[in-house]
Amino acid sequence: AQSVTQPDIHITVSEGASLELRCNYSYGATPYLFWYVQSPGQGLQLLLKYFSGDTLVQGIKGFEAEFKRSQSSFNLRKPSVHWSDAAEYFCAVGAGGNQFYFGTGTSLTVIP
Amino acid sequence: NAGVTQTPKFRILKIGQSMTLQCTQDMNHNYMYWYRQDPGMGLKLIYYSVGAGITDKGEVPNGYNVSRSTTEDFPLRLELAAPSQTSVYFCASSPSTALPAQYFGPGTRLLVL
Repeated sequence: AQSVTQPDIHITVSEGASLELRCNYSYGATPYLFWYVQSPGQGLQLLLKYFSGDTLVQGIKGFEAEFKRSQSSFNLRKPSVHWSDAAEYFCAVGAGGNQFYFGTGTSLTVIP
Repeated sequence: NAGVTQTPKFRILKIGQSMTLQCTQDMNHNYMYWYRQDPGMGLKLIYYSVGAGITDKGEVPNGYNVSRSTTEDFPLRLELAAPSQTSVYFCASSPSTALPAQYFGPGTRLLVL
């Protein structure tokens, strides 16, 4: 069965520090992978997506993610975090039949 | 473009009451979805639709019904509200290419007492 694991429930970083959010997936075929961000009281906004090709994908707001098939991972990174990046981050995998499976999310706190 | 809009933003229901959560998109997307988000959990797919007149169950469909009479609208119906349906509900849409990303509405917060 398809599943997405985000092992870190909550992460705190200082403003200006680098960030890496982990995501591992379980899927039998080549996955379609996504990262979304959710600000409090808001819907989910797409940060980036991977369908095929270059395993390092660039997204909005300075985020990037790297697909590693051997590790079944799709970790999200940002070189320098801004206070406005504080939010909930969700990793998702797209499966057949137009179904998407989401991780439980990682809450990011940014310390000034 | 408004994107995906949802109404109402917040609603309190009594047990056994019914209501319809509205979802409309103006992007001419064929695919639409309903999710629920419970505290500390990821999103769970309730129902989805690949076009007008076509709907299918997702992971957690019990207690809900949907219809898709037009491309734009995808309402979610709760017939007999139960406390277990207290959640935040998100509607999303995506265009009709192979598994593109989804565009989400702002959500409806539902409290069943």
